[in-house]
Amino acid sequence: GQSLEQPSEVTAVEGAIVQINCTYQTSGFYGLSWYQQHDGGAPTFLSYNALDGLEETGRFSSFLSRSDSYGYLLLQELQMKDSASYFCAVREDSGAGSYQLTFGKGTKLSVIP
Amino acid sequence: DGGITQSPKYLFRKEGQNVTLSCEQNLNHDAMYWYRQDPGQGLRLIYYSQIVNDFQKGDIAEGYSVSREKKESFPLTVTSAQKNPTAFYLCASSTPDRYTGELFFGEGSRLTVL
Repeated sequence: GQSLEQPSEVTAVEGAIVQINCTYQTSGFYGLSWYQQHDGGAPTFLSYNALDGLEETGRFSSFLSRSDSYGYLLLQELQMKDSASYFCAVREDSGAGSYQLTFGKGTKLSVIP
Repeated sequence: DGGITQSPKYLFRKEGQNVTLSCEQNLNHDAMYWYRQDPGQGLRLIYYSQIVNDFQKGDIAEGYSVSREKKESFPLTVTSAQKNPTAFYLCASSTPDRYTGELFFGEGSRLTVL
């Protein structure tokens, strides 16, 4: 089976930096994704890491260490609109040439003034 | 504009009734997925399909059924066998490439059993 662990809640101040960690256990690992979901809305894709290292996209960065089965999402210059839930998800081989995306339970980020 | 359309957005059902949720995409994606989300929870995979006329069970397939007769469409039926069907249902699509982690989601269907 597979499992992903991420903190359930994080609070940070507007303008600050916050890091959301994700550890995973899975076989057939291909990569780690991050998604943002505002209350009542659909998840939107933020990033995908297939190789070790840091990927930067504007204020958001994502990191992966395959040897440690660990990744994180880094949000800089936090804005109030960043208050949302953030999910890590693993792309994995589910057998017979099928690949699925399995999500963690999410981290609810609250940005305060 | 390309995207995924789910309908209905809100649905009420009496216990013992089957209900079908629609999902249509015009992104020309081969792979499609159904997820269930409960309040404060992550997304759990119900079924997925990587090609027309083929689909696989996800982690919580019991009480659900799907079909994939057309590339554009992947309807989900919530049957009376599903013990706790009240939830937010999300349909998504992607290329089947193992090296991509991007899913495109619809706006979701919120099912309430009365």
